[in-house]
Amino acid sequence: DAKTTQPPSMDCAEGRAANLPCNHSTISGNEYVYWYRQIHSQGPQYIIHGLKNNETNEMASLIITEDRKSSTLILPHATLRDTAVYYCIVQASGGGATNKLIFGTGTLLAVQP
Amino acid sequence: ETGVTQSPTHLIKTRGQQVTLRCSSQSGHNTVSWYQQALGQGPQFIFQYYREEENGRGNFPPRFSGLQFPNYSSELNVNALELDDSALYLCASRLGQANSPLHFGNGTRLTVT
Repeated sequence: DAKTTQPPSMDCAEGRAANLPCNHSTISGNEYVYWYRQIHSQGPQYIIHGLKNNETNEMASLIITEDRKSSTLILPHATLRDTAVYYCIVQASGGGATNKLIFGTGTLLAVQP
Repeated sequence: ETGVTQSPTHLIKTRGQQVTLRCSSQSGHNTVSWYQQALGQGPQFIFQYYREEENGRGNFPPRFSGLQFPNYSSELNVNALELDDSALYLCASRLGQANSPLHFGNGTRLTVT
């Protein structure tokens, strides 16, 4: 079973920031938080990941709480092309199947014009 | 563009038949994973290969098997197809085993009739 909880759907106005929450209260010390998104009929796309520090790249920012039990993915200026299912995943850092991705049902983000 | 290509994009097979799905990864990506995604669900881990050996398997029967080749290509074979095998099959690759992100292809849509 997925170790994360996400809202099933969210709306965001085009041009505004989209803040997608994720709860992972049972996360272990060696587990990273990963975010992927899946646009309809495509494969999942890697967005960002982090262990305990906040991270930022050209796509998004990842804010992880100090206790690591939750995180928020921020898309600073959402566009219509950001409409997708967003998956928050915790992944162990070991080798083999320990670092498999366990997907939940994700959050369907609908960016409205 | 992830550098992971899958073929064919769509396939229709009859129950009981066998199928081979193919994946070509980025040069240097020595870890490849396969996932099955049923309609409306998140992807589920089938198995992972590292340097041409299986090093992790999800909850799938032995009729799901794979191969990884030295040229960074791989195959997923499914024998004795069942109707429930109808799904999107995703190939993903990464550099090394640890915390580098997985890069997914756009999948093969398999329909079993």
